[in-house]
Amino acid sequence: GAGVSQTPSNKVTEKGKYVELRCDPISGHTALYWYRQSLGQGPEFLIYFQGTGAADDSGLPNDRFFAVRPEGSVSTLKIQRTERGDSAVYLCASSMDPGRANEQFFGPGTRLTVL
Amino acid sequence: GNSVTQMEGPVTLSEEAFLTINCTYTATGYPSLFWYVQYPGEGLQLLLKATKADDKGSNKGFEATYRKETTSFHLEKGSVQVSDSAVYFCALWGDSSYKLIFGSGTRLLVRP
Repeated sequence: GAGVSQTPSNKVTEKGKYVELRCDPISGHTALYWYRQSLGQGPEFLIYFQGTGAADDSGLPNDRFFAVRPEGSVSTLKIQRTERGDSAVYLCASSMDPGRANEQFFGPGTRLTVL
Repeated sequence: GNSVTQMEGPVTLSEEAFLTINCTYTATGYPSLFWYVQYPGEGLQLLLKATKADDKGSNKGFEATYRKETTSFHLEKGSVQVSDSAVYFCALWGDSSYKLIFGSGTRLLVRP
């Protein structure tokens, strides 16, 4: 079956621009997560959705970052006034439900480069 | 707060060698522990997990035992193959949170 998909796979933008990154989770998965992976580091948590609501957004670095999941399926991560430090791979994951033993399935990521 | 520390890489081994990648953690309560693998050009995949102390996770010849007394979850494989070359991430899921906390990753290179 289809896994988690993310678009675009690569995004190059200029400092100060606005970007949107899309995540399409596995069908039927109620929990959705966004992580950010800088070069040579492990993924860092950004935000977690249960259904349509953001249950935990404690990892968002500042108010330039925002994410939505209006219908409880597809999610969009939005970054305003991008900075060079935002350059990273943005990963999306989904799971059947947020139970602690449930596997999070990861997408291939969107590589964001801010020039 | 919760954290994960992994041995730094890269780890370079010859085919059929024994592999150990060390992972230790800091967490309150009883976290679940995971190893994820990232093959070249691919996304993160769950390799194995353990949800309580003394559990042993295993998959594809890899094993890791949840040791609460030493707060460790070391990854081992008895005989590595070239196809095991990848980046391995240790991670934990705290019992008061829904997010995974990852270590910085260890790159493994297996030579024929």
